[in-house]
Order: sequence, then structure tokens, then C-alpha cells
Amino acid sequence: KNQVEQSPQSLIILEGKNCTLQCNYTVSPFSNLRWYKQDTGRGPVSLTIMTFSENTKSNGRYTATLDADTKQSSLHITASQLSDSASYICVVSDKAAGNKLTFGGGTRVLVKP
Amino acid sequence: GAVVSQHPSRVICKSGTSVKIECRSLDFQATTMFWYRQFPKQSLMLMATSNEGSKATYEQGVEKDKFLINHASLTLSTLTVTSAHPEDSSFYICSASRPGGRDEQFFGPGTRLTVL
Repeated sequence: KNQVEQSPQSLIILEGKNCTLQCNYTVSPFSNLRWYKQDTGRGPVSLTIMTFSENTKSNGRYTATLDADTKQSSLHITASQLSDSASYICVVSDKAAGNKLTFGGGTRVLVKP
Repeated sequence: GAVVSQHPSRVICKSGTSVKIECRSLDFQATTMFWYRQFPKQSLMLMATSNEGSKATYEQGVEKDKFLINHASLTLSTLTVTSAHPEDSSFYICSASRPGGRDEQFFGPGTRLTVL
């Protein structure tokens, strides 16, 4: 069964600090890997989307990396802000299953002042 | 671009009633729309995939007679929770994919359903 595992499950950081979230997946082959930010009570919002051949993608203070050989991805948040408090979800598109999305369990980030 | 809306954002209903949730792609035509359910502190779970003009494809374990999906146009899909029960209380999120590009899904803001 294809899986997407994220770590840590939750994270508390001080405002202004950096943090890195991890995503390991078994989906293969995949079309793309995405990171979403989901605020409480809201739908997910896309941060980055990377194909197999891309190693890194940035969106402001968010930088995602992808190592397709080890099937690992990370999301780095630089200079965190209070508004970064949210769940961050790693999602892999399963090419063999018609690009069906496999969701990770998410990492809940809390930024404290 | 690529904005998806949902209506209503919140709904409270009595057990046994039916509730309809609308999902609209506001600035693009969506060939495929998806319905997800999300329980507290869990990730999204795909319920069904709907293509305009055809019957929805339901995931295993999702009752098609209970969760009626209609995708009448390229910009509108509806999910009707029939004879709702308290265990149907959840956060329902739709997404829409735009033809071409990276087959990216754009998510709606979600609908919080509470069944009393």
C-alpha cells in the first residue's frame, strides 16, 4: 500500500526561528509531490509542487526539497511567523493510479511569540 | 486564478435530514472534482471523484446512496449527505482539477457539518 509518512507529528517553535519538516513516501512512480498549508478550519493551500526531476522549489520563506532516490522530501520554513501556525501536509500524486493523491498525516506547527 | 469556493461554510442539521454542499470553480472549468472528508487531527480522506456529465467514482467504504454527488457542469459539483447522522459530522472539502498543466488540484475552503 502506498504511504506518505510525515515527521514530526507536531512542532512548537519560537517566532523568527527556522524549522524543517520531513516527508517519506513509498509511492512509485509518482507524478509530483506537493506541500500544502492548512489553517484550522480551512482547506489546504498549495505551497510548492515538484516533479520527479526537480530537487528544490521555493515559495517565499518556504523551501521544499526532493530526493527521488531516497524517496524523501522536506519543507523548510525560514524566519517563522505567527501566521505560519498551521498543519503542513505532504501529498504525492500516484502516477500508476491515475494521479490519485496520497496524503501524509500532516505536521502541526505552532509558532509562539 | 484557480479559485474554488464551497457553500455553505458551516451547517448544523438535525439527525435524519439531508444536507447539500456546493463546490464551484470560480475562474476555470474543472473537468474533475473531488470530495474529501477530514476528521479532527486527521488528514484528508478521498470520498469520491466526479467527472462532469458522468457518474461519480466512490472510494471503497463510501456509501454512494448516502453521499450523492452530482457534477452537472464544468464549474459546479454538489455533495448531498442523505439522512445525516451524528457520525457524519465532519469537515468536507472539495477540490477541482484544471485540464492541462500539472494536473494540480485546487481545494475549496471546506464545509463544517455538524449533525445533532
